Amino acid sequence: NAGVTQTPKFQVLKTGQSMTLQCAQDMNHEYMSWYRQDPGMGLRLIHYSVGAGITDQGEVPNGYNVSRSTTEDFPLRLLSAAPSQTSVYFCASRIFSSNQPQHFGDGTRLSIL
Amino acid sequence: LAKTTQPISMDSYEGQEVNITCSHNNIATNDYITWYQQFPSQGPRFIIQGYKTKVTNEVASLFIPADRKSSTLSLPRVSLSDTAVYYCLVVLGAGSYQLTFGKGTKLSVIP
Repeated sequence: NAGVTQTPKFQVLKTGQSMTLQCAQDMNHEYMSWYRQDPGMGLRLIHYSVGAGITDQGEVPNGYNVSRSTTEDFPLRLLSAAPSQTSVYFCASRIFSSNQPQHFGDGTRLSIL
Repeated sequence: LAKTTQPISMDSYEGQEVNITCSHNNIATNDYITWYQQFPSQGPRFIIQGYKTKVTNEVASLFIPADRKSSTLSLPRVSLSDTAVYYCLVVLGAGSYQLTFGKGTKLSVIP
C-alpha cells in the first residue's frame, strides 16, 4: 500500500513553461486535493475533487488547472509558470463521507526561474 | 471555518512532556479538532483528532475542555525525532473536505 504518491519530487521550470504535477493514490479515496506551501507558511488549498469528473476551486486556484478522470489520479497543471508559483506542492486524499484524516504525499518542490 | 491560534515556536528538552495549546474561539457545534505533524521535506501527518474531553492514542493525547474553545496537544516524553511543526486545525464533521492550515507551532527538542 503506497498511499499518496507524487511525482516528480523536484522540478525547475522557466517562466512561461507548462508542467503537470502528478498525484496518485491507491486507497480508493473519493476526495483528493492539492495544496501549496510557501516558506514559513501553512498549506493553502488550490483545487479539490470529490470524485471522478468533479473538481472545484480552493483558496488559491489562479494559474492552476485540474481534472479527475479516474479515482486514483489527480494531476495539477501549470499552463504558463510564473515565479510566484515557486512553492512546495502537496497532494492529499481521504475518504469523503467520514471524518477520517487526510493522507498527504511527500510533496513536489517546484522552482520557477 | 473557525480560526485557530497557537504559539509560533516552543523548545523542550528530551524526555519532557510537551503541551501545545490551540485557541479556537469560534468553533461550531459540528467541528472537530485535528492535529497534524510535519517534518521538513515531508507532507503533514495526522496525529490525533477529537470532539470533546480527552482522546489518547499511541502518539499523543488531546485535551478539550467543555466549552471547546481551546485544545491542548500533549506529547509524552519527547525525543529529538519529535522536532517538527505541529498544526492545529478545526474541521467540519462527516463529509467535510477543506483543511485550513495556520502557521503551526515549531517544536524544537533539545538534547
